[in-house]
Amino acid sequence: DTEVTQTPKHLVMGMTNKKSLKCEQHMGHRAMYWYKQKAKKPPELMFVYSYEKLSINESVPSRFSPECPNSSLLNLHLHALQPEDSALYLCASSSDRGIYNEQFFGPGTRLTVL
Amino acid sequence: AQSVSQHNHHVILSEAASLELGCNYSYGGTVNLFWYVQYPGQHLQLLLKYFSGDPLVKGIKGFEAEFIKSKFSFNLRKPSVQWSDTAEYFCAVSTTSGTYKYIFGTGTRLKVLA
Repeated sequence: DTEVTQTPKHLVMGMTNKKSLKCEQHMGHRAMYWYKQKAKKPPELMFVYSYEKLSINESVPSRFSPECPNSSLLNLHLHALQPEDSALYLCASSSDRGIYNEQFFGPGTRLTVL
Repeated sequence: AQSVSQHNHHVILSEAASLELGCNYSYGGTVNLFWYVQYPGQHLQLLLKYFSGDPLVKGIKGFEAEFIKSKFSFNLRKPSVQWSDTAEYFCAVSTTSGTYKYIFGTGTRLKVLA
């Protein structure tokens, strides 16, 4: 299984809602990543988990809260988002956090904040 | 500032034309270089990668890229494009000079006319 899956595919939420994005991989990868991609822009790294520990937080606002319950799962909890947070949220995984890593991407969750 | 530049934002080619997409980076130290492709409606996929050794690397679907260290470049090439190559192409650089970074270029939208 060389796939990274993400649910839901689409999410619409209000600014007062709490929601979660889910990412799953069964490749035995020990590094997982969250990216944000705005329209016609490249993916921007948000968080990196290495061996289920948060190792990088790229100064992301606290209304985004990542969680890695186990080595196969990665969640992104959303609370009190702003309309400018609307974007495609991509999850990726790699065999480890080192620089010798190609990342495998999921299809993304398209988030709209009203 | 550290950056990855792709100077061609939009490229339109006819089938069988040759392709070269530019990628330049401004990191010092050890870097690893990647080209990813995003076909319409699909997720990001790795085309090829360079870690060390032969600076000319071959990837999937007939693509190749050449690392020129003195020019901080990693240009993507294909001798003869096909309609199915229509996609967005992203160059990416990873480095541990300082803190870990995995940075994508701004992307190049390629349209191949049948």
